Amino acid sequence: KQEVTQIPAALSVPEGENLVLNCSFTDSAIYNLQWFRQDPGKGLTSLLLIQSSQREQTSGRLNASLDKSSGRSTLYIAASQPGDSATYLCAADSGNTGKLIFGQGTTLQVKP
Amino acid sequence: ETGVTQTPRHLVMGMTNKKSLKCEQHLGHNAMYWYKQSAKKPLELMFVYSLEERVENNSVPSRFSPECPNSSHLFLHLHTLQPEDSALYLCASSKRTGGDTQYFGPGTRLTVL
Repeated sequence: KQEVTQIPAALSVPEGENLVLNCSFTDSAIYNLQWFRQDPGKGLTSLLLIQSSQREQTSGRLNASLDKSSGRSTLYIAASQPGDSATYLCAADSGNTGKLIFGQGTTLQVKP
Repeated sequence: ETGVTQTPRHLVMGMTNKKSLKCEQHLGHNAMYWYKQSAKKPLELMFVYSLEERVENNSVPSRFSPECPNSSHLFLHLHTLQPEDSALYLCASSKRTGGDTQYFGPGTRLTVL
């Protein structure tokens, strides 16, 4: 049974810092690994999707990596801004039914 | 209107009421999903539909009844719910099941009294 864990649960950094969010999964047989952002009381916004055959994906200041052998993914945020404050969720897509298994999320606060 | 929309955004109901949540996607996708997000628990998949056919039921109690009349619309019918069913219910869609980005709606905040 796939389990996804995110560490840390919460993170507070000053504006401008580079930071890394961690995601680990127990079953390496995944289709892809997805990163989402959720603002308080809102739905999820897709940030990056890394296919199982890929090692990383980049979008603007965001870079996500995937290491299936170790069961880990990281989300790197460069030059953080107060607008990046949100909860970041990673999810493993483990089957052909599109079933995503989510971690608990990391709540990020970027202070001006 | 674009993306994935959900109505109502907020719902308060008693345990004996019957209500329905509605989701509509304007993306031309073939797969739709219901998720439940409770406080302090990871987001949980409830149901998956592909081309109006249910392909996943994640051990959801029968008091939750999904309906997918076409590939653009998804409903979640609710009856005799319990207070512990209070949560944010999120709908999502993707081009197909498995391997594609899922696009989420804003959610319906449900409170069961």
